[in-house]
Amino acid sequence: AAGVIQSPRHLIKEKRETATLKCYPIPRHDTVYWYQQGPGQDPQFLISFYEKMQSDKGSIPDRFSAQQFSDYHSELNMSSLELGDSALYFCASRTARAAETQYFGPGTRLLVL
Amino acid sequence: RKEVEQDPGPFNVPEGATVAFNCTYSNSASQSFFWYRQDCRKEPKLLMSVYSSGNEDGRFTAQLNRASQYISLLIRDSKLSDSATYLCVVNDSSYKLIFGSGTRLLVRP
Repeated sequence: AAGVIQSPRHLIKEKRETATLKCYPIPRHDTVYWYQQGPGQDPQFLISFYEKMQSDKGSIPDRFSAQQFSDYHSELNMSSLELGDSALYFCASRTARAAETQYFGPGTRLLVL
Repeated sequence: RKEVEQDPGPFNVPEGATVAFNCTYSNSASQSFFWYRQDCRKEPKLLMSVYSSGNEDGRFTAQLNRASQYISLLIRDSKLSDSATYLCVVNDSSYKLIFGSGTRLLVRP
């Protein structure tokens, strides 16, 4: 079965650079969630989209923005990167019509030097 | 105080042992409850949803007590492959997931 796809899987950036993370949800899933997991931390909710509209917002810095496109894929844009942004970034998808279960992608590991 | 609290462990048990994890949540409006499993550097994977009536999936049994805002997971006949971090997770009306810090389980031969 198709799973959530994230790209890139690994990313190395320097401070003050920008990064774009991509998420391709499971086919027919209309809702996408972004989570950030710092070293030794539990995943923290950043932002979510339903039918291309932002549906909820968590602890996402103003330096970050995200959107969901017409094909339901989502991109997380991160600017003015800081050392503390180094983390695993997970995308999860679900279908609003069916079960509440979210399925996670393999994550993008971002390292800011 | 975290919205979802778990004992961080680690729980170090021999193969075949029975181990229980506990979790409490603070938001009485929480709607759904889950146990996720996370292996090192991998994504969280749903182990099981947790229902008020309690539910079982093979060697795994989950219980929910809404009055006490308490969730548990019991693993019977532990296998080496059960070694992982177990995340207690709740969601609210917006369906975003709120994670506990996780409980590490190490199953030794």
